[in-house]
Amino acid sequence: DVKVTQSSRYLVKRTGEKVFLECVQDMDHENMFWYRQDPGLGLRLIYFSYDVKMKEKGDIPEGYSVSREKKERFSLILESASTNQTSMYLCASSFLGGLGETQYFGPGTRLLVL
Amino acid sequence: DQQVKQNSPSLSVQEGRISILNCDYTNSMFDYFLWYKKYPAEGPTFLISISSIKDKNEDGRFTVFLNKSAKHLSLHIVPSQPGDSAVYFCAGRYGNKLVFGAGTILRVKS
Repeated sequence: DVKVTQSSRYLVKRTGEKVFLECVQDMDHENMFWYRQDPGLGLRLIYFSYDVKMKEKGDIPEGYSVSREKKERFSLILESASTNQTSMYLCASSFLGGLGETQYFGPGTRLLVL
Repeated sequence: DQQVKQNSPSLSVQEGRISILNCDYTNSMFDYFLWYKKYPAEGPTFLISISSIKDKNEDGRFTVFLNKSAKHLSLHIVPSQPGDSAVYFCAGRYGNKLVFGAGTILRVKS
């Protein structure tokens, strides 16, 4: 079974802090994704990566950056956390290409920025 | 610009009856559509998908119908079970990205 793990289930941070969210997958997937989930808005793509050291902006990249130094690990960085970044953050991974490509999700990190 | 819309925020169904979840899309470039189910405090899990060249795909109790001319798809769950109570997300795929709808909360009453 595919396993996607996220470093924390719950985080509380203060405005202005730098925040790191880590994601690791064990299936040798090329693609990795970061989403945020907010009520009434569904899942919105922040950034994704299709290879080591490669990254592409998603729909809402402002205020975030990412790092992919190893194939299995994809980090989301909030450079200076703000209260509007309080959300559920979900990491996902998938193979590159394929039919009906399925993304496998981690359990999520609920971030509260005070 | 919401490319994928799920207009019903919630749906309540009696156990044993049919649940129908709807989804509309605007992007004609989607080549696959997927449904994910999400329980509280867990990540979404893949449920079923359909290619844009098909009009129906079935997997056990779950069937997805695609009406390409209307840019509409629906997920049918028959019979509904209490364990189906969850949030259901519809998604369209283009390239290696998925675009998700806002989700529909399904409650199956026993």
